[in-house]
This record gives sequence, C-alpha cells and structure tokens, in this order.
Amino acid sequence: GESVGLHLPTLSVQEGDNSIINCAYSNSASDYFIWYKQESGKGPQFIIDIRSNMDKRQGQRVTVLLNKTVKHLSLQIAATQPGDSAVYFCAENNNNNDMRFGAGTRLTVKP
Amino acid sequence: NAGVTQTPKFQVLKTGQSMTLQCAQDMNHEYMSWYRQDPGMGLRLIHYSVGAGITDQGEVPNGYNVSRSTTEDFPLRLLSAAPSQTSVYFCASSRTGLSSYNEQFFGPGTRLTVL
Repeated sequence: GESVGLHLPTLSVQEGDNSIINCAYSNSASDYFIWYKQESGKGPQFIIDIRSNMDKRQGQRVTVLLNKTVKHLSLQIAATQPGDSAVYFCAENNNNNDMRFGAGTRLTVKP
Repeated sequence: NAGVTQTPKFQVLKTGQSMTLQCAQDMNHEYMSWYRQDPGMGLRLIHYSVGAGITDQGEVPNGYNVSRSTTEDFPLRLLSAAPSQTSVYFCASSRTGLSSYNEQFFGPGTRLTVL
C-alpha cells in the first residue's frame, strides 16, 4: 500500500545551525501535507502545512518545501534552538479525512 | 479554552476487559479523530467524525467503537482489550475536515497497557 516515510530517523544539529528534515511520500494523489512537532510525553503540535498547488510555504523560522516530481517534502528550521528538540512527523492527506503520518525524525539540538 | 482533553492519562487493562477513553474539546470543532501511536511509528487513524451523529473508520478501526452524540465529546471504546492494543492514544479536533488549511489540535494522550 501507499505510505508516508522518512529518509532519516535521527538528526543532530548544533544550536544556531539550520535543520532540514526530509519526508518521502508515495501517494501521488495526496494534495495536502502537514508537519507536526511532538515533544516527549505530549501530543503532536501543528507546525506548518502546504497544499499541492504550492512548492514553498514559510512560517516563523520554518519553511516547508514540496517537490511533487519526486514526491518529497522537507521542513527547514532556521537558527535551531534547544527548544526545537523533538520528534517531527510529516503527514499527508488525499482530499479526504484520512490523515497518514510518517514514522518521525528525532531532532536533537546540541548546545 | 481547555482545548482537547483526554482521560485517563494512564490505564492498565487485562485481556478481555472493556473500557472507554474519553475525549472532549471546547472549541466547537466539527471534526474529531482518534489515533494510536506505537513505538517507532507514526500516528495511525482509528476512527473520525465530521460532526455530531456522524462517524467513519480510519486506517485501523478493528477492535474499537466510537460515537458522537454531541459536538464536544468523542469517546473511544475498547469492547474486549487485547495486548495488541497496547499503545498511546491521541484524540484530535479541527474546525472542519482535514482537506484544507485547517489546524488539527491534539490532546495529551492516554497511555494504555493491556496485559
């Protein structure tokens, strides 16, 4: 079946550096993508989303890039801070109410 | 607003027992959903509801029942718990359905262990 996956399970960066978290998806019909942040012991928290008619969307310190040609999604975090340490999930939706999540990438920020 | 609340936070069951996980939201959201999260995996959708009186199955519905008698509440019932249902359960809500720019808010989770 089709699934959402991630290139790397863990990522370690130095405080102040930029972070890039990647996600591959296989359902070409997906038209809406979301990035979530999950801190230990808490529920996922919405970060940023993007529709398939866009290739880039920016928020505060975060940017999501969508490459539909290769079915790839990335989350860029500028000037990574210790508070950014968490597990990051991408999720996809195919114009319905069934959201599919990737397995997650654990981001560790070193001081 | 309290947002999305879930009770209990922790629960241990024996195989075959039944229980209900409670979820409530005070944001007047139409859409509510239940996910389970297993170690090393992303969240998987169990059931969802697009409004009071309407429920539908997600990716992994077997062994779970839901109902939506009010806009605020969306309980998840395990009729006969099995060890395979050991997981962390998250409830979520959003203003409307998922197919638009429409932030989904998650509760703090319920950690369930079935012995």
